Amino acid sequence: KAGVTQTPRYLIKTRGQQVTLSCSPISGHRSVSWYQQTPGQGLQFLFEYFSETQRNKGNFPGRFSGRQFSNSRSEMNVSTLELGDSALYLCASRSGGDNEQFFGPGTRLTVL
Amino acid sequence: AQTVTQSQPEMSVQEAETVTLSCTYDTSESDYYLFWYKQPPSRQMILVIRQEAYKQQNATENRFSVNFQKAAKSFSLKISDSQLGDAAMYFCAYRSAFTQYGNKLVFGAGTILRVKS
Repeated sequence: KAGVTQTPRYLIKTRGQQVTLSCSPISGHRSVSWYQQTPGQGLQFLFEYFSETQRNKGNFPGRFSGRQFSNSRSEMNVSTLELGDSALYLCASRSGGDNEQFFGPGTRLTVL
Repeated sequence: AQTVTQSQPEMSVQEAETVTLSCTYDTSESDYYLFWYKQPPSRQMILVIRQEAYKQQNATENRFSVNFQKAAKSFSLKISDSQLGDAAMYFCAYRSAFTQYGNKLVFGAGTILRVKS
């Protein structure tokens, strides 16, 4: 099986712009979670989608949003980018019957 | 809210020796899962080992084993016969067993493990 894929792998944006990141889960996985990783705050949960519905949301401002499509692919969007949004954004997928979440390689976002 | 604490920012071990990484957590729940993840410099997060809280037996995966002390809320990772490829950032993580929380993982700050040849 192919693993979790994330596109793009690297992204450079300027303050005020918006960005969309994509995550394709492992085939058959219906749950997709997003995490933000920064040196200062560590790994923080953003949100989770399951069968196109947001199931859980972390403590992030409304500028961070996401969605999931019928094929389980997920996108996250960050509007009005701030310097502090520079981070590695990780996506993870999980099937219903297993405890393991499989992570993608991440998207490195740099905001200038 | 659940919290996970890793008190060792960095650890070093000689190749072929054993090292233990510490993790404590705080929760009021009785049923949950605990994980150790490894993140090498390539940044792909990989599951090392997992433990179900209702199981008293400590999990083992080849050279990796855990010491799960539920009453003390402690979950340490022991790596035996350390190899150069074990060098990475290690994260301890918690997940509630209650479905209302979905698959949310709560991570510790991480421990950098350096392996010396």
